[in-house]
Amino acid sequence: GAVVSQHPSWVICKSGTSVKIECRSLDFQATTMFWYRQFPKQSLMLMATSNEGSKATYEQGVEKDKFLINHASLTLSTLTVTSAHPEDSSFYICSARVSSGDRNPYNEQFFGPGTRLTVL
Amino acid sequence: RKEVEQDPGPFNVPEGATVAFNCTYSNSASQSFFWYRQDCRKEPKLLMSVYSSGNEDGRFTAQLNRASQYISLLIRDSKLSDSATYLCVVNIPSGTYKYIFGTGTRLKVLA
Repeated sequence: GAVVSQHPSWVICKSGTSVKIECRSLDFQATTMFWYRQFPKQSLMLMATSNEGSKATYEQGVEKDKFLINHASLTLSTLTVTSAHPEDSSFYICSARVSSGDRNPYNEQFFGPGTRLTVL
Repeated sequence: RKEVEQDPGPFNVPEGATVAFNCTYSNSASQSFFWYRQDCRKEPKLLMSVYSSGNEDGRFTAQLNRASQYISLLIRDSKLSDSATYLCVVNIPSGTYKYIFGTGTRLKVLA
């Protein structure tokens, strides 16, 4: 199957700093990538949909100025958590969708390994 | 009503048992359905796509009932390694192919 990588896999930072997380599709092109957040013992919550070459679409309640998303190429999307606070500590997971409808008739998404963010 | 609902469990079953999970969804126009498996502190991994005609992969069988708006997952001959959280995922009919995740059902297979 398709491979998606994330970097870093974990990060600890001080309150007020910004953290950038990268999501890469390694062996396929992804015009659409998704960013999720998962708090302990909860399910994945979609934060935003990242579209190559255009602005991201944010879910209700997600601050676009706090969670900056850039999808600069068909294989890379980045999420920057700006001025991070302890309540932003979470497991951030990206996924990518293979572009062609014929190759992906069921709209399958492939997930990265996640980034565990701890804000002190 | 939540868009995708699952019983959170945990389901504690002995090795060799058969266990079934159900998941209901609220949007009747939903197009694609999946079961993902998530181990503790890891990313979700696709277990099965759920086809309209139902599908089977070894010990795992998935069914879709569009009339009642639910999908099911049956695990036969449970193994210790099946212990995980099973996430029901529905793809809503929007231009961005968004996934909606259920809260997950925890399964513990006991020796």
